Amino acid sequence: NAGVMQNPRHLVRRRGQEARLRCSPMKGHSHVYWYRQLPEEGLKFMVYLQKENIIDESGMPKERFSAEFPKEGPSILRIQQVVRGDSAAYFCASSPPNRGSYEQYFGPGTRLTVT
Amino acid sequence: AQSVTQLDSQVPVFEEAPVELRCNYSSSVSVYLFWYVQYPNQGLQLLLKYLSGSTLVKGINGFEAEFNKSQTSFHLRKPSVHISDTAEYFCAVSDLNRNQFYFGTGTSLTVIP
Repeated sequence: NAGVMQNPRHLVRRRGQEARLRCSPMKGHSHVYWYRQLPEEGLKFMVYLQKENIIDESGMPKERFSAEFPKEGPSILRIQQVVRGDSAAYFCASSPPNRGSYEQYFGPGTRLTVT
Repeated sequence: AQSVTQLDSQVPVFEEAPVELRCNYSSSVSVYLFWYVQYPNQGLQLLLKYLSGSTLVKGINGFEAEFNKSQTSFHLRKPSVHISDTAEYFCAVSDLNRNQFYFGTGTSLTVIP
């Protein structure tokens, strides 16, 4: 059973460009979470999605950031008009439908560098 | 809202010595507690979790943690560390009603040969 997959692993963008980060949850998992880790800091929650629904986006910046989890395909975190402050590691996690264990399985992350 | 404090940002320890990584949390409701390990340039791997029941929780790689409700702590311990334990360790909490985890800022454990 493959784990949570994220791609690309490393992404370099110039200021003003768009960044698209992809996350494929573990097989059978229908809940996806995105976190951002700034240098020397812990992970900060951004958004929680189920298939075709955003459940909690309380951690998302109000502008330039959006997320989706379509019926088919991976979850996408999209950052428009990137700025240097967006440079960070972005982690995706997934959990199964019953969530009885309240356990989240993390992917390897996408390291975004804005130049 | 919940918050997590990891008081020690860096912990150096000699190989085969015991180690304790401290974690305190604040919450007005009951929580679930977790410890994750992050190796360089990798994602987070679950070490152990406390959901309910026994306050002493055993995890992978010989780690254990004890939930202390009165002191709102969930310290991680290992009686004898190995070089391979060198990594970043994150404590996290999740309340029963929300869907997000709150993470501490991490403790960098360095095992010295």
